[in-house]
Amino acid sequence: NAGVTQTPKFRILKIGQSMTLQCTQDMNHNYMYWYRQDPGMGLKLIYYSVGAGITDKGEVPNGYNVSRSTTEDFPLRLELAAPSQTSVYFCASSFREDTEAFFGQGTRLTVV
Amino acid sequence: AQSVTQPDIHITVSEGASLELRCNYSYGATPYLFWYVQSPGQGLQLLLKYFSGDTLVQGIKGFEAEFKRSQSSFNLRKPSVHWSDAAEYFCAVGADNAGNMLTFGGGTRLMVKP
Repeated sequence: NAGVTQTPKFRILKIGQSMTLQCTQDMNHNYMYWYRQDPGMGLKLIYYSVGAGITDKGEVPNGYNVSRSTTEDFPLRLELAAPSQTSVYFCASSFREDTEAFFGQGTRLTVV
Repeated sequence: AQSVTQPDIHITVSEGASLELRCNYSYGATPYLFWYVQSPGQGLQLLLKYFSGDTLVQGIKGFEAEFKRSQSSFNLRKPSVHWSDAAEYFCAVGADNAGNMLTFGGGTRLMVKP
């Protein structure tokens, strides 16, 4: 049982480049989330989705885009990478909004 | 909007000593509350959760937490800390039907002295 899988684990981007962080879950969860984690700042919600075809902004959505074409996948897109986007990104999923969230292992992104 | 505060950024305890990590939340109704643990380089793992009922909840790895509505707190405790408990701990308030999603505190990094 894989749970929540994120790829890649590490990535270095140059300023202005774009990339997609992949996230897939095999638990048939409706809810999926993207968080970023900066040192001492906890986790900040970037975007979330309550089901296929439905996405919404979280606390820090600027500079990111998401899509949810299937229940399993919730990719996060960075269009024009900036140094402020250097962070660790976590994808998570849950069955409902009030149930336990399961997290992926994270993607460490550095923008130089 | 809901919020979570973990007042202690770092805590150091000796192995075998007791532990209490503080968590305060701001929420309009009865919250769903969680404690997660993150080991270095890993994702987050659920330690325990409170939805309703008994205000003292037991979790994995010998942890427990107590929900105190009057103090808006959900402190995490362990009677005897092991070296393997060194990690970062996050308190979180669950989503609600008003559109608030899972919200995390800033985390407390626990160090364990031998």
